[in-house]
Amino acid sequence: DQQVKQNSPSLSVQEGRISILNCDYTNSMFDYFLWYKKYPAEGPTFLISISSIKDKNEDGRFTVFLNKSAKHLSLHIVPSQPGDSAVYFCAARTGGSNYKLTFGKGTLLTVNP
Amino acid sequence: GAVVSQHPSRVICKSGTSVKIECRSLDFQATTMFWYRQFPKKSLMLMATSNEGSKATYEQGVEKDKFLINHASLTLSTLTVTSAHPEDSSFYICSASGGFGANVLTFGAGSRLTVL
Repeated sequence: DQQVKQNSPSLSVQEGRISILNCDYTNSMFDYFLWYKKYPAEGPTFLISISSIKDKNEDGRFTVFLNKSAKHLSLHIVPSQPGDSAVYFCAARTGGSNYKLTFGKGTLLTVNP
Repeated sequence: GAVVSQHPSRVICKSGTSVKIECRSLDFQATTMFWYRQFPKKSLMLMATSNEGSKATYEQGVEKDKFLINHASLTLSTLTVTSAHPEDSSFYICSASGGFGANVLTFGAGSRLTVL
């Protein structure tokens, strides 16, 4: 039973355009959500996060939106750059879980020059 | 800040041997570290939670006698794959809480294990 789902295994966008990566979850106990970026043969690096008490968090070119009623979050990257090409993982945590994260399967983003 | 170092990055071993992977938090103390495993085109699967000074907590389906975890200090956790078999070949990644803040895990670069 996959509690965090990233239904798009891949996404391709043109440089300068917006990239939208989607994530759905089923566990209503999740209270904190994170996005990680991963290059091949490397560990994930933290990108941006959002608490369940918010619906938006912005950091430079990256914005995460949370729709609790729909159990859906998305990561917007604008403008997209070729260096953004990587696998993006959505992760979620339940309160009091001692930082234990549940990950989605990831979405491979390719930004074409 | 918030760097987690993982070693070795790649290891090839013969079937039946044991392999140890180290995970170190370089600039912060990590009372809790996590070990993940990633199969090709799959998500990161949590294997176990490693707590300094106590026994690790394993996820369902993970053999604790096969994947030995030791967290002897606040900056070091080790994962030993015992009597490795080809099906243990995978990408193993450790992470630690701290660094960026209470809610964020910092990951190591991962270790690619290939068992011949």
